[in-house]
Amino acid sequence: SAVISQKPSRDICQRGTSLTIQCQVDSQVTMMFWYRQQPGQSLTLIATANQGSEATYESGFVIDKFPISRPNLTFSTLTVSNMSPEDSSIYLCSVAGLAAEQYFGPGTRLTVT
Amino acid sequence: SQKIEQNSEALNIQEGKTATLTCNYTNYSPAYLQWYRQDPGRGPVFLLLIRENEKEKRKERLKVTFDTTLKQSLFHITASQPADSATYLCALDGPGAGSYQLTFGKGTKLSVIP
Repeated sequence: SAVISQKPSRDICQRGTSLTIQCQVDSQVTMMFWYRQQPGQSLTLIATANQGSEATYESGFVIDKFPISRPNLTFSTLTVSNMSPEDSSIYLCSVAGLAAEQYFGPGTRLTVT
Repeated sequence: SQKIEQNSEALNIQEGKTATLTCNYTNYSPAYLQWYRQDPGRGPVFLLLIRENEKEKRKERLKVTFDTTLKQSLFHITASQPADSATYLCALDGPGAGSYQLTFGKGTKLSVIP
């Protein structure tokens, strides 16, 4: 299994600003994913990030709002742009294992005031 | 899109009993179904994966069944312990063969009472 770290672990941001969340994996992986978990809700996939290609976004999520970078096989960033209180959530990255299971980071708890 | 229902938001059981959690889906049949455990303030932890052609999978005190006719998976924890208290999520892949995109249920919060 992979070990994943995320930075920051939590942040409080003002409306209209942007926050970049970092995800670091301890081994090289092809597929990385970004999820959002709103209070009391389950995980919702934002996008799939493969190294060397553009991220693939799920319905309801757009690149202008959630730009993603994947510069190498161990690192990715998700930016939450022009934030509003509705963006308050936990953001999680994950990587795919050999059998299609996923390994998750600890999450970034974002509060927008 | 896939719709997933997990039987209840919360389940309380006595220590030593078997906990049974249910996951029902309504649309396409997934190639596989997964169960995760999530503790407060932490990311989900992978527990078990069962494929569409498998009826049952076991790992220590955990057992998962998968009935594609009923569109249902059951997740059992035998001899439950207070340390098993957590939220358990089921997740389905697809649609499409080889899809790694997962759709998660809302989860069932299990409390094991000593």
